[in-house]
Amino acid sequence: GQNIDQPTEMTATEGAIVQINCTYQTSGFNGLFWYQQHAGEAPTFLSYNVLDGLEEKGRFSSFLSRSKGYSYLLLKELQMKDSASYLCAPLDSNYQLIWGAGTKLIIKP
Amino acid sequence: NAGVTQTPKFQVLKTGQSMTLQCAQDMNHEYMSWYRQDPGMGLRLIHYSVGAGITDQGEVPNGYNVSRSTTEDFPLRLLSAAPSQTSVYFCASSPVGQGNYNSPLHFGNGTRLTVT
Repeated sequence: GQNIDQPTEMTATEGAIVQINCTYQTSGFNGLFWYQQHAGEAPTFLSYNVLDGLEEKGRFSSFLSRSKGYSYLLLKELQMKDSASYLCAPLDSNYQLIWGAGTKLIIKP
Repeated sequence: NAGVTQTPKFQVLKTGQSMTLQCAQDMNHEYMSWYRQDPGMGLRLIHYSVGAGITDQGEVPNGYNVSRSTTEDFPLRLLSAAPSQTSVYFCASSPVGQGNYNSPLHFGNGTRLTVT
């Protein structure tokens, strides 16, 4: 079956760096998305990886290893507004998104 | 440019009642979809459409109907509401597919539905 594994909750300090891991098992693979979702709001797109390696976008970076079925989202210089859930979602061979339950990130001052 | 608009934002139904959740997008996206989000679970696809006149079932279609008569609109109908349908419902669209390559989903702000 298809499966996504992310930590349920993480806590970090304002100004620090945090890495949110995601491991996946899917039928085929056509890339992986990360979305951010603030409480009570809609998910918004953060990043997309289809090749191995690191993609950097300002304070946020996303890494992919296809051979290991592994991705992470790296958030630097954490701000209070980064408190949110982070959703990992790979695309399977049918271009269907398989969604993880998300990691709730709590930022403390 | 409003993006994806969902109405209503909140709704309370009694068991057995029917209703329609509205979704409209003004980005000329071909792909539209409905998800439900429940605590501790990933988003689950209910129905989707790859263009006007075309709809298909997702992972959890039972108890829901959809139609796509125009590119802009994709309403979700609950036929006979049940407490198990208490959830947050999101409509999402993209130019092509569920996030084909570098084309991410654009989500509406959600409808919070409670069935008593």
